[in-house]
Amino acid sequence: EAGVVQSPRYKIIEKKQPVAFWCNPISGHNTLYWYLQNLGQGPELLIRYENEEAVDDSQLPKDRFSAERLKGVDSTLKIQPAELGDSAVYLCASSPRDGYYEQYFGPGTRLTVT
Amino acid sequence: AQTVTQSQPEMSVQEAETVTLSCTYDTSESNYYLFWYKQPPSRQMILVIRQEAYKQQNATENRFSVNFQKAAKSFSLKISDSQLGDTAMYFCALMDSNYQLIWGAGTKLIIKP
Repeated sequence: EAGVVQSPRYKIIEKKQPVAFWCNPISGHNTLYWYLQNLGQGPELLIRYENEEAVDDSQLPKDRFSAERLKGVDSTLKIQPAELGDSAVYLCASSPRDGYYEQYFGPGTRLTVT
Repeated sequence: AQTVTQSQPEMSVQEAETVTLSCTYDTSESNYYLFWYKQPPSRQMILVIRQEAYKQQNATENRFSVNFQKAAKSFSLKISDSQLGDTAMYFCALMDSNYQLIWGAGTKLIIKP
């Protein structure tokens, strides 16, 4: 069984440029999460999807961040425009559905904003 | 507010030794789950072990076991016969009734040969 796939693995952009991250969850997993992880810290939830519905986006900075999961499978997280403080690792995770389930993580995308 | 605290930023032990990572948490909920996740230098986070709060028996997974003290709100991870591949960041996390994970800051564990 394939795991959670994320691309790209690394991205370097200049500030004020846009950037997008892509995530393909484990097949059959209805719940998808986007996290931000700063160096030496635990992940911070940005948004949680149940199928194509964003059920928790309270921590997503909506002035510059957006996300979509149009067909309830793949998801894209976008930042426009990027700021220096957005440099971090962006993790995608999935679980079978909402509930007390293990979350399966992708390898993450390391974003560097210069 | 619910919190998870890992008081050991970094630990190192010799290969084959036993090591215990500490985690305390605070929640007012009666039903919750606790998790230990491992994040090796390659960065992919994987589940080590999980514990349901309503179960008194401590969870075990091969060389990994927990000491769950519900009244004290403590959830420590014991790694027996440590191996070089155990070198990683270890995160303790609490899942609340909204199914949201609250994460600790992590403990960097180094296994020395």
